[in-house]
Amino acid sequence: AQSVTQPDIHITVSEGASLELRCNYSYGATPYLFWYVQSPGQGLQLLLKYFSGDTLVQGIKGFEAEFKRSQSSFNLRKPSVHWSDAAEYFCAVGGGGSQGNLIFGKGTKLSVKP
Amino acid sequence: NAGVTQTPKFQVLKTGQSMTLQCAQDMNHNSMYWYRQDPGMGLRLIYYSASEGTTDKGEVPNGYNVSRLNKREFSLRLESAAPSQTSVYFCASSAPGGYTFGSGTRLTVV
Repeated sequence: AQSVTQPDIHITVSEGASLELRCNYSYGATPYLFWYVQSPGQGLQLLLKYFSGDTLVQGIKGFEAEFKRSQSSFNLRKPSVHWSDAAEYFCAVGGGGSQGNLIFGKGTKLSVKP
Repeated sequence: NAGVTQTPKFQVLKTGQSMTLQCAQDMNHNSMYWYRQDPGMGLRLIYYSASEGTTDKGEVPNGYNVSRLNKREFSLRLESAAPSQTSVYFCASSAPGGYTFGSGTRLTVV
């Protein structure tokens, strides 16, 4: 079955500390992978996506993610977290847009301590 | 460039009332989707339409109907609203390269 697992429901980090949000997926075909961020009461903003090529993907707001096929993972990282990064983060896997819907993880809520 | 437009943004319904959530995209995308978002559940697919004239059930279709009116528009109808349908609803469309989401409709059923 196709699925996305985000093992951490809630993470708290100090401002300036590094961040890694975990994402594991199960998908039968070539996975197209996405990370979205959602601030309270807001819509979804695309942080980055992986379709093919370099397995280290750079996104907006200083985020990056690494695709590891052998581990079925697509973890999101940021070297230094800012207070404005506090939000909920969703990992998703899909068929690339030309086919199939996006399957979302349940999200990881990030809190940032001053 | 409007992208995906959802109306209304907020709605309060009484149990048993009906309503239609509207979604329109101006990117000439073939595929469109309706998701619902609930705390701790992520986004779950209600229905999708791979192309004009086709619709298919997603993970949580019960209590909903959809219409792909034309290539631009994909509406979601609640025939008899229930409190369990209180949620935030997102419409999306897609083409090769990615997905575009609307800003959401926050629906409360009392």
